[in-house]
Amino acid sequence: RKEVEQDPGPFNVPEGATVAFNCTYSNSASQSFFWYRQDCRKEPKLLMSVYSSGNEDGRFTAQLNRASQYISLLIRDSKLSDSATYLCVVDTDKLIFGTGTRLQVFP
Amino acid sequence: ETGVTQTPRHLVMGMTNKKSLKCEQHLGHNAMYWYKQSAKKPLELMFVYNFKEQTENNSVPSRFSPECPNSSHLFLHLHTLQPEDSALYLCASSQDLGGLVGELAKNIQYFGAGTRLSVL
Repeated sequence: RKEVEQDPGPFNVPEGATVAFNCTYSNSASQSFFWYRQDCRKEPKLLMSVYSSGNEDGRFTAQLNRASQYISLLIRDSKLSDSATYLCVVDTDKLIFGTGTRLQVFP
Repeated sequence: ETGVTQTPRHLVMGMTNKKSLKCEQHLGHNAMYWYKQSAKKPLELMFVYNFKEQTENNSVPSRFSPECPNSSHLFLHLHTLQPEDSALYLCASSQDLGGLVGELAKNIQYFGAGTRLSVL
């Protein structure tokens, strides 16, 4: 089983749609969790940390389910500029990156 | 700008060449990292340095040789590479290797723009 697993997508959604990504991790001892965003041919950039109680940043909501060992990212009211690859990252002594889920928002 | 600068941005080299990638961070961080990103694969951690000392070598072939002269600079020396080494090489830095400041993890990594390497 991979340490961090994500559906690679692509998710093709219209502007204004709500889209959700899930990510599962294998190590129950993992402590910190993050979502990074990577645009085509660019470097990954931190989108948000994921806290135990769940957290929201504008149109983005991240949730953590430790019992089931998964993390989710919800994007509301999708914009064209949200098109990117979203990387799930799990901290287990070192950061482990998922392969990413590609999102394409169309007009 | 993330405060992490990588040069060159693009590099084409033959299998017998020797070249170096450079990374510099202006964030006052203590830890620096080299990653390799190939198409359709997750980021692969190569090396980790903390306070200039190498703390991790992820079974990287010896044709990749890292150097960390101080906490702000990190190099990756390349020699006799293979075509399969063609990839995006990313440098990252973080405040520390672990720990928290409040709820904020100190090992959140900030990436440079990367060097796109082609080995012919």
